Amino acid sequence: DVKVTQSSRYLVKRTGEKVFLECVQDMDHENMFWYRQDPGLGLRLIYFSYDVKMKEKGDIPEGYSVSREKKERFSLILESASTNQTSMYLCASSFQTLTDTQYFGPGTRLTVL
Amino acid sequence: AQKVTQAQTEISVVEKEDVTLDCVYETRDTTYYLFWYKQPPSGELVFLIRRNSFDEQNEISGRYSWNFQKSTSSFNFTITASQVVDSAVYFCALSGLIQGAQKLVFGQGTRLTINP
Repeated sequence: DVKVTQSSRYLVKRTGEKVFLECVQDMDHENMFWYRQDPGLGLRLIYFSYDVKMKEKGDIPEGYSVSREKKERFSLILESASTNQTSMYLCASSFQTLTDTQYFGPGTRLTVL
Repeated sequence: AQKVTQAQTEISVVEKEDVTLDCVYETRDTTYYLFWYKQPPSGELVFLIRRNSFDEQNEISGRYSWNFQKSTSSFNFTITASQVVDSAVYFCALSGLIQGAQKLVFGQGTRLTINP
């Protein structure tokens, strides 16, 4: 069974804080992804990574950065959180090619006050 | 452009009814993949099915079935004898080449409510 875990289910932070969202997968997947999900806007890709230390911008990378130092871990960083980054954040991983099935973690609901 | 349309925003049925969720896609790729995911109230997206563009056979898995029709660019999902536990938001998605990279394009989702 594929397992993708995220460090927190709920997180509350203040404007201007640096925020780290962690994602870990245990299936030796090459690719990892970060999405945010907002009502009416659906799921939007923030960043993805197809290898350790590699990263690619998705559709909405502004205000975010990522880190992938180990194959199993992909971190999303909000350098200076803002209220418009209040959202549900979903991490996913896929085996090898970018057309392989993406398996999702439970999500982190982030509120920025 | 790659696009997925789920025209039904919300569907509400009574338990044991059959229900079909529609998905229409647009792509110029000749090879592509289609997916369905379920998102229960807990929030996690649960993978249901992956289909490649060369396999037009319908698929059945228990009470779930999928009808893939390339001629109409549709990949519809039917739940037979629905149950309350089927209540969730269901997403159809297309894996396509966007700006030089393979990406997953999601529909807006259909919120399905099964009433007891």
